[in-house]
Amino acid sequence: EDKVVQSPLSLVVHEGDTVTLNCSYEVTNFRSLLWYKQEKKAPTFLFMLTSSGIEKKSGRLSSILDKKELFSILNITATQTGDSAVYLCAKIYNQGGKLIFGQGTELSVKP
Amino acid sequence: GAGVSQSPSNKVTEKGKDVELRCDPISGHTALYWYRQSLGQGLEFLIYFQGNSAPDKSGLPSDRFSAERTGGSVSTLTIQRTQQEDSAVYLCASSLTGPRYGYTFGSGTRLTVV
Repeated sequence: EDKVVQSPLSLVVHEGDTVTLNCSYEVTNFRSLLWYKQEKKAPTFLFMLTSSGIEKKSGRLSSILDKKELFSILNITATQTGDSAVYLCAKIYNQGGKLIFGQGTELSVKP
Repeated sequence: GAGVSQSPSNKVTEKGKDVELRCDPISGHTALYWYRQSLGQGLEFLIYFQGNSAPDKSGLPSDRFSAERTGGSVSTLTIQRTQQEDSAVYLCASSLTGPRYGYTFGSGTRLTVV
């Protein structure tokens, strides 16, 4: 069965901490990997990763893909309470365009 | 429109009734997707429409679920004879042409079957 596995499932940190979220996937029909932030209902797009070893960065968030080891990480530095959310990782299939999502990591940032 | 619009935002229905959920994608987006998110779970793919091609229905959980997309724009997801396990948030997303471009999600419909 094709799977995307995220870890940890939940994480509690304090403001200012740095966190690393993990996502591993199966290589079958892999095209790209996406990261989303979900605060209420609608996931909002963070990054799309297609090439290995190239870091994508947006403010305090950054992400990188390792296509040899089949995983990606999402880093958040100097966390803020507004970073509290569920972070979802998803694999794009090579054909058709459907996404396979991981279970998500629930991040809680305490003041 | 400016974003993906879904209606209703919340729906409570009795077990056994049929429901229709609507999605208005971003204007010009030819790809449209339906996902389901049960409590505490990740998103589960249901169905994918791309232009005039036959939809990818591989994620529909049973024959009680169906979806159509009229005129390449608005889509309706229909659940017949609803069951309690159908309770979830149903999310719609659209993208410009497919997987090479970012997906934009709607705010979802929270369906509760009582």
